[in-house]
Amino acid sequence: AQKITQTQPGMFVQEKEAVTLDCTYDTSDPSYGLFWYKQPSSGEMIFLIYQGSYDQQNATEGRYSLNFQKARKSANLVISASQLGDSAMYFCAMRDAAGSYQLTFGKGTKLSVIP
Amino acid sequence: ETGVTQTPRHLVMGMTNKKSLKCEQHLGHNAMYWYKQSAKKPLELMFVYSLEERVENNSVPSRFSPECPNSSHLFLHLHTLQPEDSALYLCASSQEINRLGGSGNTIYFGEGSWLTVV
Repeated sequence: AQKITQTQPGMFVQEKEAVTLDCTYDTSDPSYGLFWYKQPSSGEMIFLIYQGSYDQQNATEGRYSLNFQKARKSANLVISASQLGDSAMYFCAMRDAAGSYQLTFGKGTKLSVIP
Repeated sequence: ETGVTQTPRHLVMGMTNKKSLKCEQHLGHNAMYWYKQSAKKPLELMFVYSLEERVENNSVPSRFSPECPNSSHLFLHLHTLQPEDSALYLCASSQEINRLGGSGNTIYFGEGSWLTVV
């Protein structure tokens, strides 16, 4: 059974600093995809970044990068130069064949950016 | 601006009411989804539609009834709900259901409908 674990219920970061949000996953499929989403208090789930299990390089999208360590089954999100608008819930999610390619989400990490 | 729009954004209904949530996607996708997000719980997949055919129903009570009249629209009909059904209901879409992801098959979400059952 697939599983996503986010061990940090809440995180604080100073504005303009970098922050790492942790995510570990569990799957027996060799082929899978990992996603990070941001959810502001308004409710919308915003796609941030994707990493495929066969991708050779870590994914990057602007200020977001994914620290993918396949052997450790970890896919941490790194946000550089934090902004006040980054304050939100962040969810790690995975798709694999065992889950019928549907997204399974972790419980999320609440990030608060301090001015 | 999101490619997936949901209405209403907020809904308060009594346990004997009948209401519907509406979702429309403007992305040309073939798959649509309903998710439920309750406080302090991970997102739960409720229904999956591919090309207007329901392909998954994750043991959702019959008081939730989905409808997908075409690949751009998805409804969730609600009747005789319970207070524990109060949650954020998120609609989503993707190009198709049976691939992993990447920019071609990412699942995109709407802004959600906040439902309160009183």
